[in-house]
Amino acid sequence: AQSVTQLGSHVSVSEGALVLLRCNYSSSVPPYLFWYVQYPNQGLQLLLKYTTGATLVKGINGFEAEFKKSETSFHLTKPSAHMSDAAEYFCAVSPNFGNEKLTFGTGTRLTIIP
Amino acid sequence: EAQVTQNPRYLITVTGKKLTVTCSQNMNHEYMSWYRQDPGLGLRQIYYSMNVEVTDKGDVPEGYKVSRKEKRNFPLILESPSPNQTSLYFCASSTLGAKPYEQYFGPGTRLTVT
Repeated sequence: AQSVTQLGSHVSVSEGALVLLRCNYSSSVPPYLFWYVQYPNQGLQLLLKYTTGATLVKGINGFEAEFKKSETSFHLTKPSAHMSDAAEYFCAVSPNFGNEKLTFGTGTRLTIIP
Repeated sequence: EAQVTQNPRYLITVTGKKLTVTCSQNMNHEYMSWYRQDPGLGLRQIYYSMNVEVTDKGDVPEGYKVSRKEKRNFPLILESPSPNQTSLYFCASSTLGAKPYEQYFGPGTRLTVT
């Protein structure tokens, strides 16, 4: 069984400030981990993914995430927020074998304060 | 352009009136899936298909049907819609080549059942 917990359904940061969106996972097998972004009235777009190897993963639009097995975490960060980062962000997990089922967190809505 | 398309994008209907939401992908993907997105619940999988004529239930299949007669299409059928099926629906697809199987999402269908 697998699950994802995203702490904070809403996060607000000032433009230029650090963005930190938290994700903790639970998985009985080694997982693949993903961050997706959803802009208003759009579908989900993959930001980045962790498979194996390097634990610091870089994605699009300046985002990165670090896989910490000991903490079962995969937090998303961006050093300097931009107005265009305002969106909803979803963390997701899938097992690294078997079916392709993605289990999503409940999402974090990021607001950027000018 | 590689894409997943859904139709209609918006639909308002009445309780009990059968409807179909179409999903089509042009990437020759084997795997297709339907999700519903509800506030505070994230995305939950309704049904998925590993290939033509192979479908299986996800986490919330009650009240839905699917079929996979062609590789590119994966329609979602609501035989007798009810107000609790008011939601935002997403179709997704992925290849079953190298893991992890990155899922590509359609733009979403917003369904209102009155």
